[in-house]
Amino acid sequence: GDSVTQTEGLVTLTKGLPVMLNCTYQTTYSPFLFWYVQHLNEAPKLLLKSSTDNKRTEHQGFYATLHKSSSSFHLQKSSVQLSDSALYFCASFNVGDNSKLIWGLGTSLVVNP
Amino acid sequence: NSKVIQTPRYLVKGQGQKAKMRCIPEKGHPVVFWYQQNKNNEFKFLINFQNQEVLQQIDMTEKRFSAECPSNSPCSLEIQSSEAGDSALYLCASSWDRWEQYFGPGTRLTVL
Repeated sequence: GDSVTQTEGLVTLTKGLPVMLNCTYQTTYSPFLFWYVQHLNEAPKLLLKSSTDNKRTEHQGFYATLHKSSSSFHLQKSSVQLSDSALYFCASFNVGDNSKLIWGLGTSLVVNP
Repeated sequence: NSKVIQTPRYLVKGQGQKAKMRCIPEKGHPVVFWYQQNKNNEFKFLINFQNQEVLQQIDMTEKRFSAECPSNSPCSLEIQSSEAGDSALYLCASSWDRWEQYFGPGTRLTVL
């Protein structure tokens, strides 16, 4: 079945360092990929959505590029801040099953001073 | 920022009791989704609607849950007979096009 895989459960970094959170997907049809961020006791918020193949999308300092050749949509930021500490979820919307998001298990990002 | 409203924020029920939660989607969004997020932060899709019609739902939702999205009233999700395993954060999301989903703050259900 369709799935989204996030390989890291926890990433711990020092403020100012770069980060990459991995996301790979397996879908029957051509998907749209999303990154959501969820701060403690808050709702998930849409952070990024994929564009066309090999095109980078950016928002609030985060960026990701959909690579259909490797079925990936990794999230990156060049310099993390303390406020970036949160849960990050990768999700796919399968155009062929156009009714729900398929979620990864999430990556907890902890940024230390 | 999302304008999806969910009430109540917290709900405590005993096993076997009914648990009902409500969601007001963002104005103009015809599609509403319900998800369950467990203590391990895993998301489970429950049901979704377009306008008042069910698009898709999982088996669990068919058997023990009931949900509706009447016109001009909040959407609702009700668990007929709560079980300990139902303790979770219930998230409502709305969307204009099914793709970009905007979430409410959730209802945290605790079943004692």
